Amino acid sequence: GDSVTQMEGPVTLSEEAFLTINCTYTATGYPSLFWYVQYPGEGLQLLLKATKADDKGSNKGFEATYRKETTSFHLEKGSVQVSDSAVYFCALSARNFGNEKLTFGTGTRLTIIP
Amino acid sequence: GAVVSQHPSWVICKSGTSVKIECRSLDFQATTMFWYRQFPKQSLMLMATSNEGSKATYEQGVEKDKFLINHASLTLSTLTVTSAHPEDSSFYICSASDLEPLHFGNGTRLTVT
Repeated sequence: GDSVTQMEGPVTLSEEAFLTINCTYTATGYPSLFWYVQYPGEGLQLLLKATKADDKGSNKGFEATYRKETTSFHLEKGSVQVSDSAVYFCALSARNFGNEKLTFGTGTRLTIIP
Repeated sequence: GAVVSQHPSWVICKSGTSVKIECRSLDFQATTMFWYRQFPKQSLMLMATSNEGSKATYEQGVEKDKFLINHASLTLSTLTVTSAHPEDSSFYICSASDLEPLHFGNGTRLTVT
């Protein structure tokens, strides 16, 4: 079945450091890939997405590129801020249309130190 | 943008009682909603897919008689935890979609004493 393997945390970085959170997936066909962020005590918010190979999703300085050849969707940010502290989830949806359930990775807790 | 509202945001109940959690799509119609459960420091586990006007589809290992799902309208799905026990304490999150991607509610933290 479909699965998402995500870099285990927690990850602690200093402000303005470079961030990479690794994510690889296993799926049949051509899934859509997502990064969701969960701030303390809140639900999930979509951070970015990519729906086909070589697409780059970007938002709030975060980027991730859909790499079909390596089945990866690593999350990166060039200079993190304290406000980026949260839990980040990589996820996939098996098909490229709505109303499809998501398969999540285990989440990576990120803490940014001033 | 599309918003999913979940209520209550937190609830404390006594063991043996039932608790109802509501999930509403505020500005779109959702024929399908999803209920997830999140254990502390762990990922989200899909519990069931809620289909408007029909029975919910439960994931393997989820007790359908314990976690009752009703999707009576295109904007409302409810999850009722029946005869709650302390091990049911968790963070429950619903999601809905008009188009990709899924929109999530802010979750309900259930504590059973």
